[in-house]
Parts: sequence; structure tokens; C-alpha cells
Amino acid sequence: DTEVTQTPKHLVMGMTNKKSLKCEQHMGHRAMYWYKQKAKKPPELMFVYSYEKLSINESVPSRFSPECPNSSLLNLHLHALQPEDSALYLCASSLSTGPYEQYFGPGTRLTVT
Amino acid sequence: DAKTTQPPSMDCAEGRAANLPCNHSTISGNEYVYWYRQIHSQGPQYIIHGLKNNETNEMASLIITEDRKSSTLILPHATLRDTAVYYCIVRVYNQGGKLIFGQGTELSVKP
Repeated sequence: DTEVTQTPKHLVMGMTNKKSLKCEQHMGHRAMYWYKQKAKKPPELMFVYSYEKLSINESVPSRFSPECPNSSLLNLHLHALQPEDSALYLCASSLSTGPYEQYFGPGTRLTVT
Repeated sequence: DAKTTQPPSMDCAEGRAANLPCNHSTISGNEYVYWYRQIHSQGPQYIIHGLKNNETNEMASLIITEDRKSSTLILPHATLRDTAVYYCIVRVYNQGGKLIFGQGTELSVKP
């Protein structure tokens, strides 16, 4: 099983809502990532988790709050987002944070109204 | 991280080899070259990576020049399903998993 799953596929939320994105992998990977991708732009790294601990935060605003409850699951909690946060949110995983290939999920398309 | 330069777009005829160039003239000795692609509306997909030697797998071949300042990804027999944005990325072995994507090359495979 080389799949990273993400739910939901699409999400529309208002600026006062609280929502969560979920990512799951069952490959035994110990590194998990969140990326943000705006239309026609390359993905940009947001967070890296290594062995369930946050190891990299790329200066992401606090309205994005990641969580890694166990080695298979990664969440991204969203609160008080802005319309400019509308984007495709991609989750990825790899064996560790070494030079291993990253497996990406299909993404969650988020629209903030 | 070393910066990469790729042409913004390329066309290739179906069944022919697609050769995608990447310039990374400031690459340092401990940086690997990675290639990923992103088919429209999907997550990026790993293709191949290398340090110094040429590499081949079931998807593609990676040719790295001797001075390591440039590389070429070769898809030997392109199909319509290879239409995607191809990203060339250089990264250090142990930089915490960071992948920094450049603008990539949009490859269109035409019948």
C-alpha cells in the first residue's frame, strides 16, 4: 500500500469557521508533511513532522495548527482563515526526513469565503 | 539550497523521447537532484533522484553532467499520460525532509 489519503477532497468554509484536514498513511513512514499550493504555483512546504514531533514550521500563521496524533495520522486544524488561504493543501509522507522519496496525497481543495 | 532553472514549457510527440533539462549551476557536493511531476489536479509524484551517477528506473532516466551543474530527465517513450508539470529539485541529504519546488516545466505530449 503506497497510498496517502486525504479527507475531505473539497472544503468550503467561512472566515469564522473551524475545520480540520486529515491525512493518513499506512506505509510505516515516520515523516509527514503539509504543503500549500496556490493555483498555477508550485507546492510550498508548511510543516514537517518527524517521529510525531514537529520539526519544521516554515513561519506559517497560527491560524493553521498541525497535529500528529500517531505515526499514521496527520491533521491540519484551521481557524479564522482568510480568503487568500484558499488553495490546494497537500499531505506527504516519507520513510524518514532523510533523502527518501515523498509520497503525496491527492490534496484537499480549500475555499475560504 | 541550490537554485534550479527549467524551461517553463515543452512539447513532445507521443512515442518519442522527452528530454527535460534542468540547470543547477550552484549545486554543492552533498546535494542530490530529484525529479517529481504533477499531473493536473493530482499530488506530485516522485520520479527519480541521483547524486553523481546516471540513474534509471522503470519511469525515466536521469543524466547528470560530470560537473553536476545540469541534468536531464529522459522519458524514453512519452505517452499522453505523461503530460504534467515536471519539477527538478536539489536538496541536501539531511536537511530535515525539505523539498523546495521551483516553477517546473509544463510538458505537453501531443498525439
